[in-house]
Amino acid sequence: EAQVTQNPRYLITVTGKKLTVTCSQNMNHEYMSWYRQDPGLGLRQIYYSMNVEVTDKGDVPEGYKVSRKEKRNFPLILESPSPNQTSLYFCASFGRPDTQYFGPGTRLTVL
Amino acid sequence: AQSVTQLDSQVPVFEEAPVELRCNYSSSVSVYLFWYVQYPNQGLQLLLKYLSGSTLVKGINGFEAEFNKSQTSFHLRKPSVHISDTAEYFCAVSAGNQFYFGTGTSLTVIP
Repeated sequence: EAQVTQNPRYLITVTGKKLTVTCSQNMNHEYMSWYRQDPGLGLRQIYYSMNVEVTDKGDVPEGYKVSRKEKRNFPLILESPSPNQTSLYFCASFGRPDTQYFGPGTRLTVL
Repeated sequence: AQSVTQLDSQVPVFEEAPVELRCNYSSSVSVYLFWYVQYPNQGLQLLLKYLSGSTLVKGINGFEAEFNKSQTSFHLRKPSVHISDTAEYFCAVSAGNQFYFGTGTSLTVIP
């Protein structure tokens, strides 16, 4: 079954404590992406990756890092989380023709 | 930069009535267009997409959308809604390597 998995699904942390949200896909897709969803703002793209070792900024990359060392994994790293990064995060994997598979979401709260 | 405007943030409609959710986009390049649905506490699910060809696109759950290039619109329609259609609906545009989402329309079907 085609799947995008994210972990953890829920996370409460404190300001400044580094965290990583993992994302994995089993479809051998080259393109992967991270979004955050906030009320009234829809989904906004944080980072995307066209392939292994190729990443680029989306609309709201500040405060986030990503890496793509292998095709199936695309972790999102918050080096020093702040309360304004409290949000619902989605990882997505891009297949052909031009459709995305979304993970189940990670609800992050930064206190 | 691209932008996607969903003109209605909330749409209440009675069961078995028709519904139209409006989406307009701005883009100086060719785009692909999508509609996604998000049920409470879930990720996004693709309803339908326009890549090329016929401007009337049919999707899952009885939804359809029409691409109008001159009006840069991609409105979503269903002739008869069910209670189970209550959800958040997002219009999205793919341009180049990035995806841009609207702010969402909350559809509430009233019994």
